[in-house]
Amino acid sequence: EDQVTQSPEALRLQEGESSSLNCSYTVSGLRGLFWYRQDPGKGPEFLFTLYSAGEEKEKERLKATLTKKESFLHITAPKPEDSATYLCAVYDRGSTLGRLYFGRGTQLTVWP
Amino acid sequence: GAGVSQSPSNKVTEKGKDVELRCDPISGHTALYWYRQSLGQGLEFLIYFQGNSAPDKSGLPSDRFSAERTGGSVSTLTIQRTQQEDSAVYLCASSVGITAHEQYFGPGTRLTVT
Repeated sequence: EDQVTQSPEALRLQEGESSSLNCSYTVSGLRGLFWYRQDPGKGPEFLFTLYSAGEEKEKERLKATLTKKESFLHITAPKPEDSATYLCAVYDRGSTLGRLYFGRGTQLTVWP
Repeated sequence: GAGVSQSPSNKVTEKGKDVELRCDPISGHTALYWYRQSLGQGLEFLIYFQGNSAPDKSGLPSDRFSAERTGGSVSTLTIQRTQQEDSAVYLCASSVGITAHEQYFGPGTRLTVT
């Protein structure tokens, strides 16, 4: 059973059309939830860390929020350069120290 | 400052050959991680190092996989007797510490086994 599930798998938005990506997780004790951006042929690029329910982080057009069961990555007025795969990962209190569990990602395409 | 670097960026090898993948972490990062990313799959955790020690090797897919880290810096992931199912992108990451710290990734090594 996947511990991290991301939806949708793919999302196409017109430039300026705001939306949200979802990351739901099942862990024994969340120690941290991480959002990454991955461009084709590159390694994941760190975006945000969230540690507790109710926490929010913002960076440019991106805003990440966290509840006890899921996280959302809100994209406001996206631009074509926001096109990428967005990955969510969790650090579980009960798992191997240092091990992150990743979702399969949401592939975002923003067209002009 | 310099990020995580990996070499080679691409590796094509014949089935049955051994390969070595190298990772150079961010200076000062004590923790180092190896992941594998296959097409359409999420990142699969392989192993981590705290300093030169790898406390848990259970994520390695088989005994053909091994990893070492020397001097608390560079790490090498070795795959012996490669199989076609080993084809994937191998990603290395490093972090300041081991507990709930963000991990910074290198560009990866794309391994193709023919």
